[in-house]
Amino acid sequence: IAGITQAPTSQILAAGRRMTLRCTQDMRHNAMYWYRQDLGLGLRLIHYSNTAGTTGKGEVPDGYSVSRANTDDFPLTLASAVPSQTSVYFCASTSGGATDTQYFGPGTRLTVL
Amino acid sequence: GQNIDQPTEMTATEGAIVQINCTYQTSGFNGLFWYQQHAGEAPTFLSYNVLDGLEEKGRFSSFLSRSKGYSYLLLKELQMKDSASYLCAVRDSNYQLIWGAGTKLIIKP
Repeated sequence: IAGITQAPTSQILAAGRRMTLRCTQDMRHNAMYWYRQDLGLGLRLIHYSNTAGTTGKGEVPDGYSVSRANTDDFPLTLASAVPSQTSVYFCASTSGGATDTQYFGPGTRLTVL
Repeated sequence: GQNIDQPTEMTATEGAIVQINCTYQTSGFNGLFWYQQHAGEAPTFLSYNVLDGLEEKGRFSSFLSRSKGYSYLLLKELQMKDSASYLCAVRDSNYQLIWGAGTKLIIKP
């Protein structure tokens, strides 16, 4: 693989169910991020990780948890999904260097009914 | 609070020039980014400004004025494939990106 992959591509989930969105990168980037994108709103940061073994809360962390056991993987878990978590979820990682540009995975479209 | 403002939607003609504006109010400033996002796809990086002035990259240019909290993205020789949303984002003092809601650009033949 090259870049960032996310799984699943899309998912329909019953409210109250537990769900883990997967994100894997092979670029050896230290920092990784989870965003949600909703119509009419900008990308909103859920959680981030500056390096393996550390995580932090973003703007909208409630109802979500993350872990960063190694450099490559950064899964996002919804412990008990609610309809307001219906969104498109993007994972991103940063390149470091002067610009520290964020690169995005293809996204997961999640619908909670 | 932190705020990024961009027009919701713009329309332009194929072959023409369009300027997409972005104004920001953030806690600190560590660079401004422009991303392109086609419908149903992920955002992709277009440009980065950290100093005042114009950065040119092919048909796309980006301008920054830090004193005015203002940036624009200029697209020249518009092509149909430029139909997309354009996202402005500012990196704040905590080194986090604050995102605008995006400008949907519609190109007409």
